[in-house]
Amino acid sequence: DAGVTQSPTHLIKTRGQQVTLRCSPKSGHDTVSWYQQALGQGPQFIFQYYEEEERQRGNFPDRFSGHQFPNYSSELNVNALLLGDSALYLCASSFGRRYEQYFGPGTRLTVT
Amino acid sequence: QKEVEQNSGPLSVPEGAIASLNCTYSDRVSQSFFWYRQYSGKSPELIMSIYSNGDKEDGRFTAQLNKASQYVSLLIRDSQPSDSATYLCAVIIQGAQKLVFGQGTRLTINP
Repeated sequence: DAGVTQSPTHLIKTRGQQVTLRCSPKSGHDTVSWYQQALGQGPQFIFQYYEEEERQRGNFPDRFSGHQFPNYSSELNVNALLLGDSALYLCASSFGRRYEQYFGPGTRLTVT
Repeated sequence: QKEVEQNSGPLSVPEGAIASLNCTYSDRVSQSFFWYRQYSGKSPELIMSIYSNGDKEDGRFTAQLNKASQYVSLLIRDSQPSDSATYLCAVIIQGAQKLVFGQGTRLTINP
């Protein structure tokens, strides 16, 4: 049973650049949520995708955008990177309206 | 007031003892509660979910929920050094689909 996968594992970008992170949900799951986790903090909700639409959004600026594809995989895009965007980006998948979310290994983004 | 609060620790417990982790939440109508374990440098792993008042047991783990007091806890019996990790409490806020996390409690089990 394939779990949630994310790519890349690590990424180093320069301030002002753009980045795309990718996520494939756990087999049988159709909902993908993205979280940002700063060091020493709990994950913060960015947004959730279901049926290829953004279902809910957290308190993140429009520089953060996403997409869900027909196969339920998802992308997170961040434009005009700031130093403060350096964090672990986590993707979590779930099925429909079930609340149990399972996390992928994360992408560690460093902005210099 | 934060939506979900945890004592950041560190909490140090001797091997074989019971570790008790606590969490309070502010949204009175929250219905779904979760405990995640996160090892250093890794992603959170779901270990328990609880939806009704009372206790839920799974192996060495017991989750306890008291909605009247807006309090959820996790007990780890017969603690092992491999239980050393950060434990994150998460709550689904009523009407939302997002998980709201506490900042986590760092637990260390001493051999």
